[in-house]
Amino acid sequence: KQEVTQIPAALSVPEGENLVLNCSFTDSAIYNLQWFRQDPGKGLTSLLLIQSSQREQTSGRLNASLDKSSGRSTLYIAASQPGDSATYLCATLIGSWGKLQFGAGTQVVVTP
Amino acid sequence: SQTIHQWPATLVQPVGSPLSLECTVEGTSNPNLYWYRQAAGRGLQLLFYSVGIGQISSEVPQNLSASRPQDRQFILSSKKLLLSDSGFYLCAWSVAASGNTIYFGEGSWLTVV
Repeated sequence: KQEVTQIPAALSVPEGENLVLNCSFTDSAIYNLQWFRQDPGKGLTSLLLIQSSQREQTSGRLNASLDKSSGRSTLYIAASQPGDSATYLCATLIGSWGKLQFGAGTQVVVTP
Repeated sequence: SQTIHQWPATLVQPVGSPLSLECTVEGTSNPNLYWYRQAAGRGLQLLFYSVGIGQISSEVPQNLSASRPQDRQFILSSKKLLLSDSGFYLCAWSVAASGNTIYFGEGSWLTVV
């Protein structure tokens, strides 16, 4: 059974610092890995999706890397802003339509 | 563009009452549809998924059920709610054409009292 772990559980940084969020998974036979953002009381917003054949994906200030062999993904957020404060979740997909296995998330606070 | 609608957004129901949460997807056809639950202090748990009309798979035993009466409609139901059913319910969809990216609705807060 796939287990997804996110460390740290919470993170507080001053505005302008780069954020590094870690995600590890036990089963490397993934179809893809997604990073999501969740604001309090809201649904999930998809940030980046990395297919199993890819090493990284970039969107604006966000960059996500994937190392299947070591079972790790890292989300980098450059030059953090207070608006980046949210919980960030990673999830792996095993099988093209199967269920996502989520980590517990990293709660990020960016202070002005 | 594709959109997903989920309602009601907030619901307070007494124990033993029925439940119906509805989700519709627009702008795509034959999506895979999912119901997830996020309980307080816990991660997201897949409850049901569907790959087509009338095709429902359950991930966990519970007193909830799901139905897919139309291609882009997914309904989560219960005949008698339990206190433990309280949580944040999220509908989601995916299609192969979008790389199987999974997109979530805004969620429905259910409090069973």
